[in-house]
Amino acid sequence: NAGVMQNPRHLVRRRGQEARLRCSPMKGHSHVYWYRQLPEEGLKFMVYLQKENIIDESGMPKERFSAEFPKEGPSILRIQQVVRGDSAAYFCASASSGRSYEQYFGPGTRLTVT
Amino acid sequence: TQLLEQSPQFLSIQEGENLTVYCNSSSVFSSLQWYRQEPGEGPVLLVTVVTGGEVKKLKRLTFQFGDARKDSSLHITAAQPGDTGLYLCASSNSGYSTLTFGKGTMLLVSP
Repeated sequence: NAGVMQNPRHLVRRRGQEARLRCSPMKGHSHVYWYRQLPEEGLKFMVYLQKENIIDESGMPKERFSAEFPKEGPSILRIQQVVRGDSAAYFCASASSGRSYEQYFGPGTRLTVT
Repeated sequence: TQLLEQSPQFLSIQEGENLTVYCNSSSVFSSLQWYRQEPGEGPVLLVTVVTGGEVKKLKRLTFQFGDARKDSSLHITAAQPGDTGLYLCASSNSGYSTLTFGKGTMLLVSP
């Protein structure tokens, strides 16, 4: 029973390093969403992808952040030159279609920048 | 962007008590989802409501969608320690599936 999988679960990076977060959607799901959760702000949408396409990246910072969902393999959220403010929990969710109201979340990656 | 307000922010009760938490918006929801999130885990979808006035039940949890589709409530009967968690409501814009979340209600049920 493969739900949404994310790895690593915990990631520690020093300022200036790169962070790569991976997400494998549920079987049969081709729509992936990334969200970030900060303690005082709640869950915020970052980016929405289908296979090989970015559909909506309106929630993603313009610099240092990028996302991809290749034809084969997991979706990747990449953060270059991390800063302390990037410390947060990053969640991936998947859905069966872009019009589905129901998204299923992975366990998240907790990023700590030291 | 639709703003969702949840209340209360924090609720601490004893096992066996009943409680209600709320989710409100100034604009109409196209649909509304309720999630529960436990510490260190991702949100787990509990229910989706779409139709104004809709009531859905999930064991001891009752979800209600307001007639005008601007508000929703979650009622828990005879709360148990296993109900402890962060309860989040979320909505999506019509025809577009990215979710906007409220900040949640943190529920603590003590034995």
